[in-house]
Order: sequence, then C-alpha cells, then structure tokens
Amino acid sequence: DIQLTQSASSLSVSVGDRVTISCRASQDISNFLNWYQQKPGKAPKLLVFDASYLETGVPSRFSGSGSGTDFILTISSLQPEDIATYYCQQYDKLPNTFGQGTKLVIK
Amino acid sequence: EVKLEQSGAEVRMPGESLTISCKGSGYTFRNYWINWVRQMPGKGLEWMGRIDPDDSYINYNPSFQGHIRFSADKATKSVFLEWTSLRASDTATYYCARQSTVMKGYLENWGQGTLVTVTA
Repeated sequence: DIQLTQSASSLSVSVGDRVTISCRASQDISNFLNWYQQKPGKAPKLLVFDASYLETGVPSRFSGSGSGTDFILTISSLQPEDIATYYCQQYDKLPNTFGQGTKLVIK
Repeated sequence: EVKLEQSGAEVRMPGESLTISCKGSGYTFRNYWINWVRQMPGKGLEWMGRIDPDDSYINYNPSFQGHIRFSADKATKSVFLEWTSLRASDTATYYCARQSTVMKGYLENWGQGTLVTVTA
C-alpha cells in the first residue's frame, strides 16, 4: 500500500497566519492527491483535487501544490472557520489511502 | 442538489449481523462509484473500498476484505455495507462518498455518516 505521511499531527496556529500542511507519499503518485477538511462531528469535505485544483465553492485562500511524492496544502490567511483536521488522500494505486491527518489548534 | 443520505446509528452485540445503507439523490445514481470510509473514534480516515452501482463491480481494501460486503440496488438508488459477524473493533462512523468519475478518485460528496457501536 502507498503510505501518506503528514508531517505534523497537530499545528498550533493563529488567525491570519499563513499555514502550510505537508503530505509525503511513499512512492511517486504523480498528481493523484486530494485534500479534505473535516470539522468535529461532520463528514469530510473535498478542498483540493489532483494536487492543485480547487473544488468549486472553496475559498481562494486555500491552495494545493506538489507532484510526485511531496505535496502541500496552503491556507494563505487562516480564518476562524478553518480550524479543523486536514487529510490528504492518494488514488494512484489501490487501495486508496489517507494521511493520518493534521489538526489545527488555536494558539 | 447531490445528496447521500445514510441510515441511522446502530448498536449491536459482537457476533451479530448488520447492514447500513446510503441512498443517492439529485444525480444519475448508476453513473458514479460509491466509496466507503471508516473513522474509528478519535482516529483518521480509512478507505474501505468502492462499488460501481451500475454493475456492482467492487474494489475492496484487502484490510477489510472477507469481513464486509458491499452491494447496490439501482431501483432504490442505494448502496449497502454489510457485516455478518460484528466485532467490537468495528465500532466506528462509516461514511459513504460519491467518487467524481471512474478515473478520478476524489470524493466530491459525502453522506452524513452512520455511527455503529458494537458492545457486549
């Protein structure tokens, strides 16, 4: 299975911060990498697909980059409603896999 | 509006069977694969597998294969996740999610989740 490793399980952040969340794949997955946001008690929500394409309706402060094995989700200016857990997911090879998640907490 | 409506929370004892459902609306049901994702309490997301509602072709995650079964019913626009013998470790929230296209594995629409509790 392809392993996805998110560099931080938790990040301490402040409103207005530029936040970067990284995801590293155990092998080359081209750009077959997606990002999801999950708030407590809610279903995940797709933010970015194919590494860099913003899902319709997602605020432009979110962006994704990377290819191959290294990927980044960036929030340019953190808003209070962005406090959540973020997951990467690969679909290059079955079984699809998720990263372990990065939880944003307010400082 | 695309919507995936999941069945309600369930409580079962170990060894019992259970089927939960996910009903699609607002789109052509047979055209989109449905994925199942597990989230154990306080933990991350795990991909369980997916089913093509049109022909019931299935990809299982080997980690779950043999313990679960997916099925689909085009007439009721529903997919199902079944266990024949539950374990305490099956306690989790289960999400169904619609895959964008056959070739694109991003999950655009999600159900609200079904909490399954397995306890003696």
